[in-house]
This record gives sequence, C-alpha cells and structure tokens, in this order.
Amino acid sequence: GQSLEQPSEVTAVEGAIVQINCTYQTSGFYGLSWYQQHDGGAPTFLSYNALDGLEETGRFSSFLSRSDSYGYLLLQELQMKDSASYFCAVRDGDDKIIFGKGTRLHILP
Amino acid sequence: DTEVTQTPKHLVMGMTNKKSLKCEQHMGHRAMYWYKQKAKKPPELMFVYSYEKLSINESVPSRFSPECPNSSLLNLHLHALQPEDSALYLCASSQEVGQGRNTIYFGEGSWLTVV
Repeated sequence: GQSLEQPSEVTAVEGAIVQINCTYQTSGFYGLSWYQQHDGGAPTFLSYNALDGLEETGRFSSFLSRSDSYGYLLLQELQMKDSASYFCAVRDGDDKIIFGKGTRLHILP
Repeated sequence: DTEVTQTPKHLVMGMTNKKSLKCEQHMGHRAMYWYKQKAKKPPELMFVYSYEKLSINESVPSRFSPECPNSSLLNLHLHALQPEDSALYLCASSQEVGQGRNTIYFGEGSWLTVV
C-alpha cells in the first residue's frame, strides 16, 4: 500500500526552529513536496525535493533522503503567521499526488 | 495570489439540485485536478485531466461529473449529492502529469454544503 506518515501536531515557540518529518511508502517516487494550509484557506506550495539533500527557500528548508524514504520541512525564525497545517505529498508511480495526513503547527508567543 | 481561480467560493445546494463548480487557470498548465477535502483531513484526489482528457478517476461516485472544455477550464458538475458530500472542493493544476517536478497549484477552493 501507499502511505505517508507525519506527526499530527507540533508545538514550538515564536522565533525558534521546528522540524516536521515525513516518511513515505509508495509504488514509484517522483519527488516530495510540502504544502502549507491555513484554516479556511487552500494549500499553498512551499518546496519540492526530487534529489537527496537540502533545498532552502528563505526561512523554510526541505530535506530528502530517498534511501530512507524520509524527508523533513524545517521552519526557522518562527512567526505567529506560520501557525498552519503542513502536508507532505508525493507523486507516485501512477502519477497521483498523494498527501500525508498533515501536521498541525502551533506556535506559542 | 493563486493563479487558479475557482467559482463559486461558497455553494449551498439541496440534494435534488444540479450545480457546477468552475475552475480556470492561465499558466499554460496541461494537467488539472479536482480534490475533495474534509475538515482536518488531507486533500483527497478525485479526478485528473491530462491534455484535456480524463486520465484518473479515483472511483468517484457518478453524482460527480468532471468536464474539461479546454486546457484552461475545468468543471465539476454536481447532481443528487448527499449531505456527506459537503466539503471543500479544490481545483489544482500542474505543468504536466508524470514529468519530473510534481508541484501542483491550488485554487482557493469552493466550500460546498449539501442540505
């Protein structure tokens, strides 16, 4: 079967760093993406990793290890507006983009 | 700002009504998607269109009928829905299906309530 596992909730303090992990099991793999979704809004694209290593985009970075079927999203200098749900997603061998169940990030002042 | 536009943003319909959700993108993308999302759940894939042809139907009930009139437009026709179909319906697009980068861009969604 296909599955993506990520923590359901993470809590961090404003200004700190937080890491959201994602492990996947899919039939075929064409890259790992991360999406952010605020309450009442639509998912917005954050980052994409097709190859092993770290991709950095401003305060957000994403990492992929294909041999471990593992990736993470790193958020630095957390701001209150980063409070949202974060989804990892993979495109599998059937060209379907499958989402993890999402991680709810709570940020404390 | 999203470049995928969905209308209407909110829709309330009875179980005997027929309505349609509309989606438009002008990014030149050749793949378009419909997802359904319930509260506190991830988006669930419903349909994928590639080059205006239906390529994936995730065993969606026939009361949902997709249509792709051209490469920029995607519709979802709704008929005889059930209250459990109430959800956020997300349209999305990507450059192509199955080609390297798998970034998809979502519209703001249509909030559907079936009464």
